[in-house]
Amino acid sequence: GDSVTQMEGPVTLSEEAFLTINCTYTATGYPSLFWYVQYPGEGLQLLLKATKADDKGSNKGFEATYRKETTSFHLEKGSVQVSDSAVYFCALSTEAGGTSYGKLTFGQGTILTVHP
Amino acid sequence: DSGVTQTPKHLITATGQRVTLRCSPRSGDLSVYWYQQSLDQGLQFLIQYYNGEERAKGNILERFSAQQFPDLHSELNLSSLELGDSALYFCASNQGLSNQPQHFGDGTRLSIL
Repeated sequence: GDSVTQMEGPVTLSEEAFLTINCTYTATGYPSLFWYVQYPGEGLQLLLKATKADDKGSNKGFEATYRKETTSFHLEKGSVQVSDSAVYFCALSTEAGGTSYGKLTFGQGTILTVHP
Repeated sequence: DSGVTQTPKHLITATGQRVTLRCSPRSGDLSVYWYQQSLDQGLQFLIQYYNGEERAKGNILERFSAQQFPDLHSELNLSSLELGDSALYFCASNQGLSNQPQHFGDGTRLSIL
């Protein structure tokens, strides 16, 4: 079945540091890939997405590129801020037919803490 | 604001009881998804409805059931509650295609005492 693996956390950085959160996936179909962010006490918010190979999703300074050859979708940001402290989830969905109409499969989440 | 509304925000109840969680999808969305978030299992897909019909099922227990009504709001019913059912339950919506992002509500936190 489909699965998503995220790098082990938590991740602690100083403000303005470079961020990478690794994400690799296994999918039976041709997945769409997403990064969601969850702030304390809130629901998940879409951060960015990519729907085909070599697409780059970007938003609020975050970027991720859909790499089919390495089955990866790593999240990067050049200069993090204290306000970026949150939990980040990598996720995929596939049109596999049968019973898999777009359900999201999530990674385990990575806690990011940014210090001033 | 995602446009997805979940009520109640918090529920505290006892083992063996039954509860109903409610979700109103974003305006224009036909599909509703339910997810369970717990510390040990992470985020798990439970069930999906599309325009009133069940479309996909995940790791949903037989004690749990859901439905989507003609006005497209959805309810998740949890019965014979156990301590292990304590979790955050999220509803999400989109128009039903896998390449569309899902928009999440703020969740219902269920605590079983």
